[in-house]
Amino acid sequence: EDQVTQSPEALRLQEGESSSLNCSYTVSGLRGLFWYRQDPGKGPEFLFTLYSAGEEKEKERLKATLTKKESFLHITAPKPEDSATYLCAVHNQAGTALIFGKGTTLSVSS
Amino acid sequence: DSGVTQTPKHLITATGQRVTLRCSPRSGDLSVYWYQQSLDQGLQFLIQYYNGEERAKGNILERFSAQQFPDLHSELNLSSLELGDSALYFCASSQEGGADSPLHFGNGTRLTVT
Repeated sequence: EDQVTQSPEALRLQEGESSSLNCSYTVSGLRGLFWYRQDPGKGPEFLFTLYSAGEEKEKERLKATLTKKESFLHITAPKPEDSATYLCAVHNQAGTALIFGKGTTLSVSS
Repeated sequence: DSGVTQTPKHLITATGQRVTLRCSPRSGDLSVYWYQQSLDQGLQFLIQYYNGEERAKGNILERFSAQQFPDLHSELNLSSLELGDSALYFCASSQEGGADSPLHFGNGTRLTVT
């Protein structure tokens, strides 16, 4: 069964304290791994797509990496505005829908 | 702003009632997806339409139905509502509807069933 597991469920950081979020996936034939950011009361906002092991994508303080079994979202020197829930998703085997993990809620305090 | 518009933003109704949620996709996107988000289940895929035709079904209950119209907007109909149907309902759209296309989400409709 296609599955996505994210850890930790919640993460509290001080401003400037770098860390990583983990996304482990089980899917037959990866057709894309997606990272989203979701703010309270809003819809998920697309961040990155990764397609193959070894691939990396960067955007401001965020860097996403991919291995054959997991993806990491590295947050360097976070700021309070980076506080949000970060969701990871993979396409199902048929490529017809995204399967989401339950997310990591990040809180960054100044 | 993702370009995906959902109405209404909030909906409060009673058990047993029927409601319709509306979604307008981003300009140029042919595929529309519906997702349900609850605190304990996370984002759950309900159904996908591509250019007016149903393409994929997920965990959608028989009491729920959807359609995509010729102008590409979509409606999700929820009937015989139960307390457990209270959730955020998101619509998302993508250009082609395939594995290469990221989904772009609206800001959702919060449904409360009392």
